Amino acid sequence: SYELTQPPSVSVSPGQTASITCSGDRLGDKYASWYQQKPGQSPVVVIHQDDKRPSGIPERFSGSNSGNTATLTISGTQAMDEADYYCQAWDSSTVVFGGGTKLTVL
Amino acid sequence: QVQLQESGPGLVKPSETLSLTCAVSGYSISSGYYWGWIRQPPGKGLEWIGSIFHSGTTYYNPSLKSRVTISVDTSKNQFSLKLSSVTAADTAVYYCVRSLVGATTSFDYWGQGNLVTVSS
Repeated sequence: SYELTQPPSVSVSPGQTASITCSGDRLGDKYASWYQQKPGQSPVVVIHQDDKRPSGIPERFSGSNSGNTATLTISGTQAMDEADYYCQAWDSSTVVFGGGTKLTVL
Repeated sequence: QVQLQESGPGLVKPSETLSLTCAVSGYSISSGYYWGWIRQPPGKGLEWIGSIFHSGTTYYNPSLKSRVTISVDTSKNQFSLKLSSVTAADTAVYYCVRSLVGATTSFDYWGQGNLVTVSS
């Protein structure tokens, strides 16, 4: 079965750029989505179709996908961006999620 | 504004069937999109369970397929999940979601989640 691999944790200083990666075999041939989940809340999609930002998502969130790696980039990271982030793709008629990355802003 | 609301028991006994319903408001299920379920065990990541189109077309997670049934009731604008033969490993927050299906799949609306505990 298809697998997506994320680093368990990423740390970033306020105002700096955070990059969260998601790796999978030929992931660049698929579309990747990214979800933000804060404690006690439902996930929210922040990026879909690799690099599309839904209405209401700040411009500091961007995405890319090439080769075997999709990347979520948060520019000018704010304290409110501290959360768990999950990547997701579609493969062989199933939805696959990465294991999640805890972003710490310190 | 599209809203999804899960309902169902918070406690299910081992070996029994977990049943949840998701009521949709602000959008007609018959108008399109897929409607599905995602779960999250306490302290763990997200796991997709399956999705259904209003016509009845379904997609299921292969690891759960033998135990899962997702159905839709367009007259009530709701859809349901049944998971049979549950064990403690099925304890999780269950979210109902809206999505496209296929290469562009992403989940744009989520319910608030319903914690289901499997315990005797």
